[in-house]
Amino acid sequence: DIQMTQSPSSLSASVGDRVTISCQASQDISNYLNWYQQKPGKAPKVLIYAASDLETGVPSRFSGSGSGTDFTFTISSLQPEDIATYYCQQYDNLPYTFGQGTKLEIK
Amino acid sequence: QVQLQESGPGLVKPSQTLSLTCTVSGGSISSGRYYWSWIRQPAGKGLEWIGRIYTSGRTNYNPSLKSRVTISVDTSKNQFSLKLSSVTAADTAVYYCAREIEVEPAANYYYFYMDVWGKGTTVTDSS
Repeated sequence: DIQMTQSPSSLSASVGDRVTISCQASQDISNYLNWYQQKPGKAPKVLIYAASDLETGVPSRFSGSGSGTDFTFTISSLQPEDIATYYCQQYDNLPYTFGQGTKLEIK
Repeated sequence: QVQLQESGPGLVKPSQTLSLTCTVSGGSISSGRYYWSWIRQPAGKGLEWIGRIYTSGRTNYNPSLKSRVTISVDTSKNQFSLKLSSVTAADTAVYYCAREIEVEPAANYYYFYMDVWGKGTTVTDSS
């Protein structure tokens, strides 16, 4: 299985801050990577697919980049409603695997 | 818009079989290039992909669960189902069903991502 490692595991930032989360794959996955947001008690929601494509309806402050083994997810200006746990997920190989998650909190 | 809803017992006895159904509303389970997937999440932990089914009936399972998992589809009811046998405490989790979209923006180049999710249902082993 492809292992996905996210960092940091948790993050505290202020409203308006730029926030960056990293995701590293255990092998080359090209750009076959998605990012999901999960708010407490809710199902995950896709924000970014194919490493950098923004899902329809998702605010433009969210972005993704990277290819190969190293990927980055960025929130350009953190909003209070962005409090959630974020997961990366690879779809290069089955079984699909997720990172362990990054819990984002407001300072 | 398409919505998914999981249903099934919230308690399962150890060694018995967990059975869940996902009902698709707002669209046909047979239309489009979609896979129908199950994902689970133990309390306070991350997401684990269980498996998926295409409307042709073709399935893919996580090898870690493959010997115990069966995913099936009933197009007449617009539903797909999960069966997980020989349940233990380790299977206690929130179970989500999801639609996975397959996009082919260029020849032989595909995107896959889960674009619609159910709200999730909690399954606990009764031990």
